[in-house]
Amino acid sequence: QPVLTQPPSASASLGASVTLTCTLSSGYSNYKVDWYQQRPGKGPRFVMRVGTGGIVGSKGDGIPDRFSVLGSGLNRYLTIKNIQEEDESDYHCGADHGSGSNFVRVFGGGTKLTVL
Amino acid sequence: QGQLVQSGAEMKKPGASVKVSCKASGYTFTGYYMHWVRQAPGQGLEWMGRINPNSGGTDYAQKFQGRVTMTRDTSISTAYMELSRLRYDDTAVYYCARANGYEYFDYWGQGTLVTVSS
Repeated sequence: QPVLTQPPSASASLGASVTLTCTLSSGYSNYKVDWYQQRPGKGPRFVMRVGTGGIVGSKGDGIPDRFSVLGSGLNRYLTIKNIQEEDESDYHCGADHGSGSNFVRVFGGGTKLTVL
Repeated sequence: QGQLVQSGAEMKKPGASVKVSCKASGYTFTGYYMHWVRQAPGQGLEWMGRINPNSGGTDYAQKFQGRVTMTRDTSISTAYMELSRLRYDDTAVYYCARANGYEYFDYWGQGTLVTVSS
């Protein structure tokens, strides 16, 4: 099964842009990844899914246009433009592996985004 | 709009069991897999397993095999996750999450804090 690696922290100034990275382990370059946002003290919410061709399907409910994704090789990126205070959150990536009784869902360790 | 409402916080002693409930509303309960995910304090998300509410079939993460049991009661649109032989490192917030037709988690419960302490 894949391992998803995320840097533990990132920061950006109000109004700036930031790109968060989720890296798949070798051999899993065709996998799609889901991004989830988790605001302090809250449960996660779906942001969007990304493959090597970019977004897969639609954004989650209420996700602003400032959020976008790209995929390249083993990396899946989440970019936030014109960062707002409410974007300060933990961002988790996750991927499915296998099917039926062999199904597993794996998550990265999460990236804590601080808005300066 | 769907909603998942979980049972309240629990405090348990090591070796005990805990059962968390997740009541679904606003959609057809039997139409979508329900997953359970936990988050230890200051840590990332950890997938525990899933249940098919229609058939009752389950798939568990290898780490929890033998200790976790997921069940459902379709008459009240409620899923359950029971974890046995609790250890201190089982202290975490436990979430239920619905996987929609595209298999991403679109509805999440509010989380249930389980504290394991002597």
